[in-house]
Amino acid sequence: NAGVMQNPRHLVRRRGQEARLRCSPMKGHSHVYWYRQLPEEGLKFMVYLQKENIIDESGMPKERFSAEFPKEGPSILRIQQVVRGDSAAYFCASSPQAGGGYNEQYFGPGTRLTVT
Amino acid sequence: AQSVSQHNHHVILSEAASLELGCNYSYGGTVNLFWYVQYPGQHLQLLLKYFSGDPLVKGIKGFEAEFIKSKFSFNLRKPSVQWSDTAEYFCAVMGSSNTGKLIFGQGTTLQVKP
Repeated sequence: NAGVMQNPRHLVRRRGQEARLRCSPMKGHSHVYWYRQLPEEGLKFMVYLQKENIIDESGMPKERFSAEFPKEGPSILRIQQVVRGDSAAYFCASSPQAGGGYNEQYFGPGTRLTVT
Repeated sequence: AQSVSQHNHHVILSEAASLELGCNYSYGGTVNLFWYVQYPGQHLQLLLKYFSGDPLVKGIKGFEAEFIKSKFSFNLRKPSVQWSDTAEYFCAVMGSSNTGKLIFGQGTTLQVKP
């Protein structure tokens, strides 16, 4: 059973460009979570999605960031007009059911975004 | 606001030494607690978790953690570390009423010298 897959693993963007990060959850998982890890910091929750629904986006910056998890295909984290402060590792996790309670979140390898 | 604090940012031990990594959290309700490990070049993996019941939890690779509710703590322990335990360790909290949001500590880098 393949784990959570993220691509690309490394992404370099110039300031002002758009970044698209993809996450394919584990087979059978319908819940996806995005976290961001800034240098020298722990992971920070960004957003929790189910298929075609955003459940909790309390950790998403108000501007330039958006996320989706369509009925078909991977979850996408989109960052418009990137700035140097967006440079970070972005991790995706998935779980088979709702994340509260007994369901473990399985993490992907992360996408390291560098903004030049 | 919920928060997690890991006291040690960088720990260096010799093989066979005992390990204890501190973790304290701030949350007003019932919590679920986790320790994750990230080996060099790999993704986060779950070491152990506490939801309810026995506050002493045993995980993989000989790790254990004890939930002390009165101290809001969930410290990670291992009696005898190995070189292969070199990794970064993250403590995380999830409120039982949350939608699945994990609140992570800033991480502790463990370096085990052979």
